[in-house]
Amino acid sequence: DQQVKQNSPSLSVQEGRISILNCDYTNSMFDYFLWYKKYPAEGPTFLISISSIKDKNEDGRFTVFLNKSAKHLSLHIVPSQPGDSAVYFCAARLSSGGSNYKLTFGKGTLLTVNP
Amino acid sequence: DAGVTQSPTHLIKTRGQQVTLRCSPKSGHDTVSWYQQALGQGPQFIFQYYEEEERQRGNFPDRFSGHQFPNYSSELNVNALLLGDSALYLCASSHRDQYEQYFGPGTRLTVT
Repeated sequence: DQQVKQNSPSLSVQEGRISILNCDYTNSMFDYFLWYKKYPAEGPTFLISISSIKDKNEDGRFTVFLNKSAKHLSLHIVPSQPGDSAVYFCAARLSSGGSNYKLTFGKGTLLTVNP
Repeated sequence: DAGVTQSPTHLIKTRGQQVTLRCSPKSGHDTVSWYQQALGQGPQFIFQYYEEEERQRGNFPDRFSGHQFPNYSSELNVNALLLGDSALYLCASSHRDQYEQYFGPGTRLTVT
């Protein structure tokens, strides 16, 4: 059962435009969400995160939006650059209060930014 | 500031053999998690080590075991390798209950 879903396997955008990467989740007990970027032959690199008590977090060109009622989050990259071309993973963590430390990942979305 | 390091980079083993993968966490981190990433999938949680003990385990068989040393480095051991164990094995480190985990470059394991 895929609890974190990234329904778009790939996305292509022009340099300078906005990239919007989407992620849906099914478990309402998730309370912290993260986005990672992965280049080929490298490990995932942490980008940005958001707690479930917020609906928006911004860091430079990257903004994550969280809609708890829809169980949906999105990552906006503005403006997109060719170096942003990578696989983007959405990940979630269950609310701690027990022993929940693992991250649950989606399958990823391949972003291609064309010059 | 050294990030998470893993060794070896690549490994080829035969079905039935045993393998040990190694990880050194980022400076200042005391917690190590291991993930398996199959082709076209996201990373799947294997287990996490803190204070030299396994404190959470994912849905992986007992053939997968680990260890954490006093210097916080960690090993992942897989016994009786199956073809399906072929994957990228990722180590991630963090500080205690910090939510963000920082990944190493991974070890690509091929089982033939």
